[in-house]
Amino acid sequence: EVQLVASGGDLVQVGGSLRLSCAASGFSLSSYWMHWVRQDVEKGLVWVSRISSDGGNTVYADSVRGRFTVSRDNAKNTLYLQMNNLRVEDTAVYYCARDLGGLGPTTFDFWGQGALVTVSS
Amino acid sequence: DIQMTQSPSTLSASVGDRVTITCRASQSISNWLAWYQQKPGKAPKLLIYKASTLQSGVPSRFSGSGSGTEFTLTISSLQPDDFATYYCQQYNTYWTFGQGTKVEIK
Repeated sequence: EVQLVASGGDLVQVGGSLRLSCAASGFSLSSYWMHWVRQDVEKGLVWVSRISSDGGNTVYADSVRGRFTVSRDNAKNTLYLQMNNLRVEDTAVYYCARDLGGLGPTTFDFWGQGALVTVSS
Repeated sequence: DIQMTQSPSTLSASVGDRVTITCRASQSISNWLAWYQQKPGKAPKLLIYKASTLQSGVPSRFSGSGSGTEFTLTISSLQPDDFATYYCQQYNTYWTFGQGTKVEIK
């Protein structure tokens, strides 16, 4: 059974840092590009970042570029999101999601359960 | 950025009803559109991708259509498990989501 379990969510002060982890099981993480997506009440679902299967290619949303870093350890079947200089507007549930794969543009075929990040002023 | 607009925001329906949700893109996205279902406290679940391709395991009462800028999700006969919020998502250029349509019990 495919599972993605996100962890590391917490309450943090403005300007602080946090690292989220996403542990994959039931499939080989090394075969898939992966994403982070966040959800809050105001903005809804917002894509945050994507990383290629080998970690060599990363892309970020404008709102987090320069502050967030996505990485992966395929040997540990784990995806990470390092979040620095956090802002109140980064408060959200963060999901890791697996890329559907295939030729051309692709979407997300499986999502983890989400980790809550709360940034307090 | 490509903006996605769903209508209606809320839809009241009964079990057995035929339900249609509309999604409009601010520019053409060909058929690079997905539909997701989300229940409270859970992660979104992929229903349809490439506008009309049913994801494995999704009941055939769900169907999608459209191309360019206008798309629809149809549930042919609403079941109790289908009361949820539905999101469209474009993946022609990066990834953006609609604001969601909540399907509630009438």
